[in-house]
Amino acid sequence: NAGVTQTPKFQVLKTGQSMTLQCAQDMNHEYMSWYRQDPGMGLRLIHYSVGAGITDQGEVPNGYNVSRSTTEDFPLRLLSAAPSQTSVYFCASSLRPTGAGYGYTFGSGTRLTVV
Amino acid sequence: GDSVTQMEGPVTLSEEAFLTINCTYTATGYPSLFWYVQYPGEGLQLLLKATKADDKGSNKGFEATYRKETTSFHLEKGSVQVSDSAVYFCALTSGSARQLTFGSGTQLTVLP
Repeated sequence: NAGVTQTPKFQVLKTGQSMTLQCAQDMNHEYMSWYRQDPGMGLRLIHYSVGAGITDQGEVPNGYNVSRSTTEDFPLRLLSAAPSQTSVYFCASSLRPTGAGYGYTFGSGTRLTVV
Repeated sequence: GDSVTQMEGPVTLSEEAFLTINCTYTATGYPSLFWYVQYPGEGLQLLLKATKADDKGSNKGFEATYRKETTSFHLEKGSVQVSDSAVYFCALTSGSARQLTFGSGTQLTVLP
């Protein structure tokens, strides 16, 4: 009954470092996505995937890479961290990607600080 | 594109007061509407949803009615508790859009 699991919960990076934020779900959801949350801006979509091997860009994809080799996992990679990437990152999954009343299940978030 | 406009916060209420958080939207097609709640230090949890006009979503004493004519989905609760203190997000998905579009969030603080 894990739902969506994100690791790590907190991370501090130096400018230019790379890292991977992990996301795993055990609900056999087709759709997975990454959002970033910044004060006063709600949540903005970074990348999403509608199934293994299929990914696409969201609203704010620059500086981030994703891949989806399995249904369960959807890691987010920062290749060269910048202070503008300081944010709280949420992974979300859903049985189906589009409307039709399916809510998304969110992970508990990763708070990233880039110094 | 799709957008969600939420009532600006923060909102501070006394326990047992009536709560309304306004939400209006613009969307292509026929959206599904959601309210999410975020408690301090946690992720977002689905609070309630509505998928067609005049549907009323409800959960934990919160209610919201899908009003197509006014493109609104206002959140209400008759008597708030301290434990309702959180950030509330209105959101939608529509048509073939493969994402949730969020409002900016409303911080609610309930004082004893």
